[in-house]
Amino acid sequence: DGGITQSPKYLFRKEGQNVTLSCEQNLNHDAMYWYRQDPGQGLRLIYYSQIVNDFQKGDIAEGYSVSREKKESFPLTVTSAQKNPTAFYLCASSTWAAHYEQYFGPGTRLTVT
Amino acid sequence: DQQVKQNSPSLSVQEGRISILNCDYTNSMFDYFLWYKKYPAEGPTFLISISSIKDKNEDGRFTVFLNKSAKHLSLHIVPSQPGDSAVYFCAASSQGGSEKLVFGKGTKLTVNP
Repeated sequence: DGGITQSPKYLFRKEGQNVTLSCEQNLNHDAMYWYRQDPGQGLRLIYYSQIVNDFQKGDIAEGYSVSREKKESFPLTVTSAQKNPTAFYLCASSTWAAHYEQYFGPGTRLTVT
Repeated sequence: DQQVKQNSPSLSVQEGRISILNCDYTNSMFDYFLWYKKYPAEGPTFLISISSIKDKNEDGRFTVFLNKSAKHLSLHIVPSQPGDSAVYFCAASSQGGSEKLVFGKGTKLTVNP
């Protein structure tokens, strides 16, 4: 079955620690995205990547970093510089031609205390 | 600057009746619109979309209407079922523009048996 996997489902970290969220897709999609969802808020774009070894900042990139070394993988690192890291993080992917039709993973709930 | 607005945070309807979810946008460059459905602690799933060259798109119980002059779209669900209870996000994109989807804050639909 093709799809997007995110692991783990729930993640707990102490304040001041960096943490990396995993996102893998086997849909052969070129583009991948990271969003953040907070209660009562829509999805806000953190970073996106259209091709391997290239990525662009989204609307709320501060305190986050990404890499795109493989087409299938787009890990997100939440650094200690992110002021409010506790949130639900969603990864998505799309084809290059239809970037507007994005397929989402199940999400990772990150709690930082 | 919220480019996609869903002004009703919640909506409650009876099973079998019609659910109407509304969405307004401000950016006249948007030419493709999507609705996503999201259950708690899961990723959003694509529901239905519409291009700006159309004013209506139908898929089973779901119909999306687009009024370009008013910059308004709506999602109709008929008949509503308890399994439709979820948060619905409206999203917009410019097909010829950036790769970004812009999401509204969502409307929580509750369908009562």
